[in-house]
Amino acid sequence: NAGVTQTPKFQVLKTGQSMTLQCAQDMNHNSMYWYRQDPGMGLRLIYYSASEGTTDKGEVPNGYNVSRLNKREFSLRLESAAPSQTSVYFCASSREYSNQPQHFGDGTRLSIL
Amino acid sequence: GQQVMQIPQYQHVQEGEDFTTYCNSSTTLSNIQWYKQRPGGHPVFLIQLVKSGEVKKQKRLTFQFGEAKKNSSLHITATQTTDVGTYFCLKPKTSYDKVIFGPGTSLSVIP
Repeated sequence: NAGVTQTPKFQVLKTGQSMTLQCAQDMNHNSMYWYRQDPGMGLRLIYYSASEGTTDKGEVPNGYNVSRLNKREFSLRLESAAPSQTSVYFCASSREYSNQPQHFGDGTRLSIL
Repeated sequence: GQQVMQIPQYQHVQEGEDFTTYCNSSTTLSNIQWYKQRPGGHPVFLIQLVKSGEVKKQKRLTFQFGEAKKNSSLHITATQTTDVGTYFCLKPKTSYDKVIFGPGTSLSVIP
């Protein structure tokens, strides 16, 4: 009964380092999302994948890349981490894009020094 | 893009008092979803409203979709400490926008 699994749960990086956040869902959902959450800013969409084989930019895509590896997995990559990317990152999935409930992972707490 | 506003940003209530949060859009929505996030947790889906004027209840929670489908509310009757958290609304995609979460209303309940 895992739902959406994110790894790692915590990470500390130095400015300029690269990192890939992993996300996998076992609900056979078509759509997957990456959000970041900063204090007082709510959830902001970074990238999403409406279906396997497609990815699209969200509200705040700069500094990130994504890969929809297969139907289950959607990874988020920071090529050159910056302190402004310190945040909590949530992955979510839904049966279809937009009009279906989203199921969230537990989040990755990322600090960039 | 078209944003979603939520008011209030914060609300502190005495346990047993009622609480209401409002979600407002400048454009007509095909539906609206509500989520709850406990402190330190992840957002959890509560409900989706689709029809104009729709009212749905979940125990002490009452959700309403406005007649014009531009606003929605979440009302909690007789709050309990288990209601603590942030409540978000989610606007669906449009032809010019992605899905967008509202900024949320953070509820504190004083026992």
